[in-house]
Amino acid sequence: NAGVTQTPKFQVLKTGQSMTLQCAQDMNHNSMYWYRQDPGMGLRLIYYSASEGTTDKGEVPNGYNVSRLNKREFSLRLESAAPSQTSVYFCASSEAWQKVDGYTFGSGTRLTVV
Amino acid sequence: AQSVSQHNHHVILSEAASLELGCNYSYGGTVNLFWYVQYPGQHLQLLLKYFSGDPLVKGIKGFEAEFIKSKFSFNLRKPSVQWSDTAEYFCAVNARTGGFKTIFGAGTRLFVKA
Repeated sequence: NAGVTQTPKFQVLKTGQSMTLQCAQDMNHNSMYWYRQDPGMGLRLIYYSASEGTTDKGEVPNGYNVSRLNKREFSLRLESAAPSQTSVYFCASSEAWQKVDGYTFGSGTRLTVV
Repeated sequence: AQSVSQHNHHVILSEAASLELGCNYSYGGTVNLFWYVQYPGQHLQLLLKYFSGDPLVKGIKGFEAEFIKSKFSFNLRKPSVQWSDTAEYFCAVNARTGGFKTIFGAGTRLFVKA
């Protein structure tokens, strides 16, 4: 089925460890996004990629890096995980940056940093 | 600062009751408005959207929302809720004045008693 695929679904890290969250979409969308979801705070934009080859900071970029590997894939990296990064991470995509017809979301990655 | 506010964090209703969830935003100019739903353990799905035209928009599963420009509001309604509507609901805004970044409200958790 067409959509957004995220891996892994669950992860536990120790403080200071690094990891990369993977995201891929097969809808030929140009724009991709990483959000984190925390109770009572909704979804907050970490980074986004308006088109292949570009990335920009969102609301809460500190502690994260991203790579738009190609049109399909957009990864999120935590270089040195902290307990404050315990969250559910969602990747999303849309057809184009300025033509937002709604996002398609992945199923999420539940990350716990201990 | 530009923001999206959802008035109720938790709502409990009995089946067949009517639902109205409030959403206000602080963006000026033209806005694109969305409601997403997240069922327990699932990712966000688009419920309905407003870009222009008729301010009363209808979405899936009997939901509708009304855009009132003068009140900067986009409230979600459903005449008669079902147990299966138990979920978290997010209002989201995308606007040129916000750099086309989609900003989400904090969410409203709806629990429908059977």
